[in-house]
Amino acid sequence: DGGITQSPKYLFRKEGQNVTLSCEQNLNHDAMYWYRQDPGQGLRLIYYSQIVNDFQKGDIAEGYSVSREKKESFPLTVTSAQKNPTAFYLCASRTQGEANTEAFFGQGTRLTVV
Amino acid sequence: AQKVTQAQTEISVVEKEDVTLDCVYETRDTTYYLFWYKQPPSGELVFLIRRNSFDEQNEISGRYSWNFQKSTSSFNFTITASQVVDSAVYFCALSRYNNNDMRFGAGTRLTVKP
Repeated sequence: DGGITQSPKYLFRKEGQNVTLSCEQNLNHDAMYWYRQDPGQGLRLIYYSQIVNDFQKGDIAEGYSVSREKKESFPLTVTSAQKNPTAFYLCASRTQGEANTEAFFGQGTRLTVV
Repeated sequence: AQKVTQAQTEISVVEKEDVTLDCVYETRDTTYYLFWYKQPPSGELVFLIRRNSFDEQNEISGRYSWNFQKSTSSFNFTITASQVVDSAVYFCALSRYNNNDMRFGAGTRLTVKP
């Protein structure tokens, strides 16, 4: 079945460590996104990518990095520079060039810093 | 800059009541797209509806209806005869016409009590 897969579902990290969240899609979508969700703050855009080897910062990119080496994959690295990384992270994808199409979401990764 | 405001943080109703979720947006674009998503407890966002900025016709789908008013920059969502299964967080989103930048509001948590 086509869709977006995020892994792992739950992730624990020690302070000072980098951690990478996986996002894979088989929908043949060009555009992919990472959002962070905190209670009461909704979804905030971290990074998005419209094509392979290209990506743009969103509103809260500091302390995060991404890569887009393959169309299907858009991993997010939470670095030690991110001061408060505990949150729910959602990945999405969408057809490029058709901004009226909806985004499809993964089931999310809940990151906890211990 | 684009912005979506959902002023209602939480709403609680009793089953069979009608409820309206408000969404106000800001954009300098003349062409844009608006969306509503539902987030059940599982965490994955589910697409409900999209609306183009040049189409102000309201839409009804079963118990759901949407009222788009460009003059007030609002795109409100009404659930008629609410049911317990409608309990979720609902997000309004705004997308630009010429790129894939997609921004969400803070969400409204709807609780429908039996």
